[in-house]
Amino acid sequence: ETGVTQTPRHLVMGMTNKKSLKCEQHLGHNAMYWYKQSAKKPLELMFVYNFKEQTENNSVPSRFSPECPNSSHLFLHLHTLQPEDSALYLCASSQAGQYNEQFFGPGTRLTVL
Amino acid sequence: ILNVEQSPQSLHVQEGDSTNFTCSFPSSNFYALHWYRWETAKSPEALFVMTLNGDEKKKGRISATLNTKEGYSYLYIKGSQPEDSATYLCAFWGAGGTSYGKLTFGQGTILTVHP
Repeated sequence: ETGVTQTPRHLVMGMTNKKSLKCEQHLGHNAMYWYKQSAKKPLELMFVYNFKEQTENNSVPSRFSPECPNSSHLFLHLHTLQPEDSALYLCASSQAGQYNEQFFGPGTRLTVL
Repeated sequence: ILNVEQSPQSLHVQEGDSTNFTCSFPSSNFYALHWYRWETAKSPEALFVMTLNGDEKKKGRISATLNTKEGYSYLYIKGSQPEDSATYLCAFWGAGGTSYGKLTFGQGTILTVHP
């Protein structure tokens, strides 16, 4: 058990749907991250939150909208996605900074029809 | 574009073999180099965080070295076991430019250890 949970584990949605991914960490960390893993591509950072403030938006389209209400919870709101957005979405947390290992959740496998 | 390259892309070894693979990264603006192991159907799990040129880290049969001046890190597995089968990821955290404030991952090396 990594201490980082994600729900749902699998999600199938149409292009006109609105859905949200949820991440929760029980490790007392102050930084949380969303990553995207597409087929045949490296793990790609989407968003970073340090102390609940967004510090990085890696040129992510606005159809992905993150929310970090507190240091333990992170959401990714999805709307009007495209089929090419189908991927594994991983959440991670750590103590803020480059010297601290990141702890990953199990991921949400998203399929956009 | 920041390039973090891992080689080989995949590797098949027999149980008991020792193996190693490479991560190359920009040699300027270095802050840290992370190694993660990602087993199928599980979450990526940190192996090492390396920060200083010449660093050597070890965890059981797995060890890693770091050369920041030339921009590479090696991961070694001694006496591979089937349970070592996984994708091994390296990730670079830079001190400036597009790599500042975040990890940039390589594509990974997929290791399969045959009994």
